[in-house]
Amino acid sequence: GQSLEQPSEVTAVEGAIVQINCTYQTSGFYGLSWYQQHDGGAPTFLSYNALDGLEETGRFSSFLSRSDSYGYLLLQELQMKDSASYFCAGNNYGQNFVFGPGTRLSVLP
Amino acid sequence: KAGVTQTPRYLIKTRGQQVTLSCSPISGHRSVSWYQQTPGQGLQFLFEYFSETQRNKGNFPGRFSGRQFSNSRSEMNVSTLELGDSALYLCASSTGGGNTEAFFGQGTRLTVV
Repeated sequence: GQSLEQPSEVTAVEGAIVQINCTYQTSGFYGLSWYQQHDGGAPTFLSYNALDGLEETGRFSSFLSRSDSYGYLLLQELQMKDSASYFCAGNNYGQNFVFGPGTRLSVLP
Repeated sequence: KAGVTQTPRYLIKTRGQQVTLSCSPISGHRSVSWYQQTPGQGLQFLFEYFSETQRNKGNFPGRFSGRQFSNSRSEMNVSTLELGDSALYLCASSTGGGNTEAFFGQGTRLTVV
């Protein structure tokens, strides 16, 4: 089957760096995506890793190791507005996406 | 460029009824996926439609069905509603080929009483 695992909650303070890990068990995933969802809002796309390695987009970076079935999202210089749920998602043969359970990030002042 | 539009935004139904939700994808996108989101369960994949054909299906009972029209708009139907069907239903639009990014609508909040 296809499944992804993430920590349920992470807490950090403003200005800090936090890493949200994602491990998956599946075949057929073309890559790993990350989405952010604020309470009451829709998930929005953050990043996509098709190949192994690090992708950087501003304060956010995402890493993928396909041989280890592992990825992470790194958030730097945390801000209060980063408090949200973060989902990793496997790209299923380039068609639909299978989402992890989500990690709720709380940023404290 | 208009985003993904889901209607209605909120819905209250009673057990046993059926409901139809609508999703209009971004213009030019041919793939529409549906997800159920409940607290603690994350985003559960229901099904994906591409060019009017169901291409992928999640692990939901047959009470959940969908379709896609020639203009890529999609509808999702749930029959014989149960209390456990109360959830946020999200649809996601993407190009359909080699998808790398999905664009979500604001969702339909369904409450079954």
